[in-house]
Amino acid sequence: DIVMTQSPDSLAVSLGERATINCKSSQSVLYSSNDQNYLAWYQQKPGQPPKLLIYWASTRKSGVPDRFSGSGSGTDFTLTISSLQAEDVAVYYCQQHYSFPRTFGQGTKVEIK
Amino acid sequence: EVQLVESGGGLVQPGGSLRLSCAASGFTFSNHWMYWVRQVPGKGLVWVSRIKTDGSATNYADSVKGRFTISRDNAENTLYLQMNSLRAEDTAVYYCVRLASSGAFDIWGQGTMVTVSS
Repeated sequence: DIVMTQSPDSLAVSLGERATINCKSSQSVLYSSNDQNYLAWYQQKPGQPPKLLIYWASTRKSGVPDRFSGSGSGTDFTLTISSLQAEDVAVYYCQQHYSFPRTFGQGTKVEIK
Repeated sequence: EVQLVESGGGLVQPGGSLRLSCAASGFTFSNHWMYWVRQVPGKGLVWVSRIKTDGSATNYADSVKGRFTISRDNAENTLYLQMNSLRAEDTAVYYCVRLASSGAFDIWGQGTMVTVSS
């Protein structure tokens, strides 16, 4: 199984400031035939199910605000929230959707400083 | 509206059984692989089981293999998870999840809580 490791486990950011979350996979999730990285990001607010934000490392799901962006390739990825809003307080998970079984990172909790 | 609605969770004694259901609406259910993913409150996300579009293939996490059975009724747009020989460590919120064409999990149900305790 591909092991996903996120850092940090938690971070506190001031409103309007940038938040950056890292995710590392134990093997490459780059699919050479289409040059896509099979890495997704999810947001889970308290008491709610996870919500897909980004897939293929950098493709935002329809309706996701453009302050959320994903980057990276191979084994190292980043989720950036360019200007943190109060409604962005949540736990964020990365997931590889390259192979079965789908595996998640342990989560990063984002709070307001 | 695309929606997944789980039901069937509750409190059960160790060794007992529960059957979870997930009603799908707003999309062509039979076109999608479906998953069950669970989450111990305050902890991370772990896949439990998956089923192919027509039900002809299934897979299970090692932790539930031989105890849980996933199935689907495409005529009724419903996904199931039969859970037998339940253990305390099965206590979690169980989510019904749709697999998108990208391979990511694009639609999640609200979840149903399963508590295994005497």
